[in-house]
Amino acid sequence: DQVTQSPEALRLQEGESSSLNCSYTVSGLRGLFWYRQDPGKGPEFLFTLYSAGEEKEKERLKATLTKKESFLHITAPKPEDSATYLCAVQALGDSSYKLIFGSGTRLLVRP
Amino acid sequence: NAGVTQTPKFRVLKTGQSMTLLCAQDMNHEYMYWYRQDPGMGLRLIHYSVGEGTTAKGEVPDGYNVSRLKKQNFLLGLESAAPSQTSVYFCASRYGALGQSWQFFGPGTRLTVL
Repeated sequence: DQVTQSPEALRLQEGESSSLNCSYTVSGLRGLFWYRQDPGKGPEFLFTLYSAGEEKEKERLKATLTKKESFLHITAPKPEDSATYLCAVQALGDSSYKLIFGSGTRLLVRP
Repeated sequence: NAGVTQTPKFRVLKTGQSMTLLCAQDMNHEYMYWYRQDPGMGLRLIHYSVGEGTTAKGEVPDGYNVSRLKKQNFLLGLESAAPSQTSVYFCASRYGALGQSWQFFGPGTRLTVL
């Protein structure tokens, strides 16, 4: 089971929309989670997606899910959106209690 | 509600010293977790608990022990600290229902082992 996030770092100008990618390989997916982490703080929950085709939105963020990957779309970002975005998957079966995390994408939005 | 709290926030140890990190949650969650976060490696699971009195090993358990004597508390112990254990440690908790809940994280403990 593996989770890979890309890019590792992303610099955007305020208002410049973009997407973050999370690709995963698990035997069966129970759920995919997106978290936001600010420097010196713990991760903060954003979204959970459970099945391919599902979408969730929150302010300027929109998460989508396919059978192999998830995207976090950021529309017209603001400097306060600067943070590290973490993706995690919860697999079916014996390991369903745990989350497998990617290493994150560091987003910097310049004014 | 305070959510998930961790004590202490920072700590510096010498090699060979021992210490205990405390995690407390006031959300009546069944599941609790300890992670470490290192640059470029993401969050790695050390130990977890699915209920009071139970513990289980995660991905990187060596050098750590845990206890869950009370539902609201999850303790992480380092018996003989090593420089490789320098990291940021996060505790998390989750309501019991599979698939329909997410993990709430604490603010972290930054540990340096000299």
